[in-house]
Amino acid sequence: EDKVVQSPLSLVVHEGDTVTLNCSYEVTNFRSLLWYKQEKKAPTFLFMLTSSGIEKKSGRLSSILDKKELSSILNITATQTGDSAIYLCAGPFNFRNEKLTFGTGTRLTIIP
Amino acid sequence: KAGVTQTPRYLIKTRGQQVTLSCSPISGHRSVSWYQQTPGQGLQFLFEYFSETQRNKGNFPGRFSGRQFSNSRSEMNVSTLELGDSALYLCASATAAGELFFGEGSRLTVL
Repeated sequence: EDKVVQSPLSLVVHEGDTVTLNCSYEVTNFRSLLWYKQEKKAPTFLFMLTSSGIEKKSGRLSSILDKKELSSILNITATQTGDSAIYLCAGPFNFRNEKLTFGTGTRLTIIP
Repeated sequence: KAGVTQTPRYLIKTRGQQVTLSCSPISGHRSVSWYQQTPGQGLQFLFEYFSETQRNKGNFPGRFSGRQFSNSRSEMNVSTLELGDSALYLCASATAAGELFFGEGSRLTVL
């Protein structure tokens, strides 16, 4: 059975700090890995990483895929209180892209 | 461009009743999938539709069903509601590349 594990489960840092969130996966058929941010509502799409696109960056957020280690990291630099959220990692680890297996998420809290 | 639209946003039902939730995908997206989110189980895949056909199904009982219409809009139905069905039900539509975009969700409370 495909499995996605995220760490840490929760993280509390001060505004301005840099954080690294981890995601590891055990899958039979890797296709891509997706990162989402979830505040009090629906998950918001951040990045999709594939074999041909192992590094993505958007402003203060960046993500890297390590296919050899079966893992990915999400970095957030110069954190702000608006970054407080649950960060979810997921993968379509079967033939169909649309069936995502989600990790349990990392709850990030930024203290002003 | 409008995002994924789900209705209703909130609803309260009692055990044994049934419920129908609606989802309109982003214009041009033909794939619609449904997820259940609960504090204990996280986000779990229910099913996915493409061109009115169910292509994939998660591990949920037969009380959970869905369909997709020719305009890509989708509905999901839960019959004989149980207390454990209380959850946030999320609909997502996908680009051809596989990027999923979620709607705001329908929060169902079963009393």
